[in-house]
Amino acid sequence: GNSVTQMEGPVTLSEEAFLTINCTYTATGYPSLFWYVQYPGEGLQLLLKATKADDKGSNKGFEATYRKETTSFHLEKGSVQVSDSAVYFCVLLSGGYQKVTFGIGTKLQVIP
Amino acid sequence: ETGVTQSPTHLIKTRGQQVTLRCSSQSGHNTVSWYQQALGQGPQFIFQYYREEENGRGNFPPRFSGLQFPNYSSELNVNALELDDSALYLCASSLDRGSRQETQYFGPGTRLLVL
Repeated sequence: GNSVTQMEGPVTLSEEAFLTINCTYTATGYPSLFWYVQYPGEGLQLLLKATKADDKGSNKGFEATYRKETTSFHLEKGSVQVSDSAVYFCVLLSGGYQKVTFGIGTKLQVIP
Repeated sequence: ETGVTQSPTHLIKTRGQQVTLRCSSQSGHNTVSWYQQALGQGPQFIFQYYREEENGRGNFPPRFSGLQFPNYSSELNVNALELDDSALYLCASSLDRGSRQETQYFGPGTRLLVL
């Protein structure tokens, strides 16, 4: 079956530090990949997505590249801000009925 | 364009009771999926509805059931509540174009506490 392996947090960074959150997956076929973010007290929001190999998704300074050869979709940001503190989920979409598989989530805390 | 809405926002029930959670999908979307998110965990897929029919199911017992209405809104029903059912229940809507997998947009969730 499909699975998503995501680095466990919490991750604590100083403001303006470089962020990488690793995500690897196993899936049949050609999945779409997403990063969702959950800010404290809020619902899940789509951060970025990539629907085929070598696609790069980007939004709000975050980037992730769909690497089929390494089955990875690592999230990066060059300079994090306190407002980026949230839980980040790597998500895979595959299957005949849009089955979505979530990673465990990585909590990011950015300190001033 | 309105987003996905869910009601109620919070709910407290006791073991053995039944609960109904509601979801209004985003305008133009025809597919609704339900997820259970336990504290500190990622969401787990419960089931999906497309055009009023269940279109797929995760590893949840039959006491978790659902409905989708002609306006594409949806309900999640849980019978015989157990303590472990305490979680955040998320609804997500999307547009199914048949062969194309579309992005799911999530509601804010209903937090259920079973005592």
